[in-house]
Amino acid sequence: DTAVSQTPKYLVTQMGNDKSIKCEQNLGHDTMYWYKQDSKKFLKIMFSYNNKELIINETVPNRFSPKSPDKAHLNLHINSLELGDSAVYFCASSQVGQGSDTQYFGPGTRLTVL
Amino acid sequence: GDSVTQMEGPVTLSEEACLTINCTYTATGYPSLFWYVQYPGEGLQLLLKATKADDKGSNKGFEATYRKETTSFHLEKGSVQVSDSAVYFCALVITGRRALTFGSGTRLQVQP
Repeated sequence: DTAVSQTPKYLVTQMGNDKSIKCEQNLGHDTMYWYKQDSKKFLKIMFSYNNKELIINETVPNRFSPKSPDKAHLNLHINSLELGDSAVYFCASSQVGQGSDTQYFGPGTRLTVL
Repeated sequence: GDSVTQMEGPVTLSEEACLTINCTYTATGYPSLFWYVQYPGEGLQLLLKATKADDKGSNKGFEATYRKETTSFHLEKGSVQVSDSAVYFCALVITGRRALTFGSGTRLQVQP
């Protein structure tokens, strides 16, 4: 069983388009995250949701909008895609107060904007 | 703010050589420390963790000890294999703040 899954794995699209990435976790965790990994492999937090409420919103363009329909899902919608949005996006989950907030990551979605 | 500093890569070793990847941190609170590994074309996997000073995390022959006095969490392995070739990330989280702060990653290449 996959603990944290993301779809799609690869996403190639044109500038200006709108796209979504979906994330699901079956670990029963109450907190989910989106991280961005740039071309130099640097990882940075974008958003975090706890029990469907936004708790971290780093300096990210408002073209990026996370949505959490329930505790097990956190989707990322991106409007008006730009070349600089090309990156690998990772979803993660953790349970607050359990295992030192250890976060478990999905396989990533490689987004390429042409 | 919080930060993690890792040694620059790539680190190139022959099979069965000893590995050390240095990691130091600065934190405004009391962090938990992690090593994650990213194999080529794959996502991040938790390798090991330590939650308090002097704790030693270990997994798959890798070890790291939480050193509060030197604010370090160096990753070590006594004998590397070709299959260990990957990018290794040191990271910390302050309890309650939730977001991981990552180092820049160190690429390890192990040659047969």
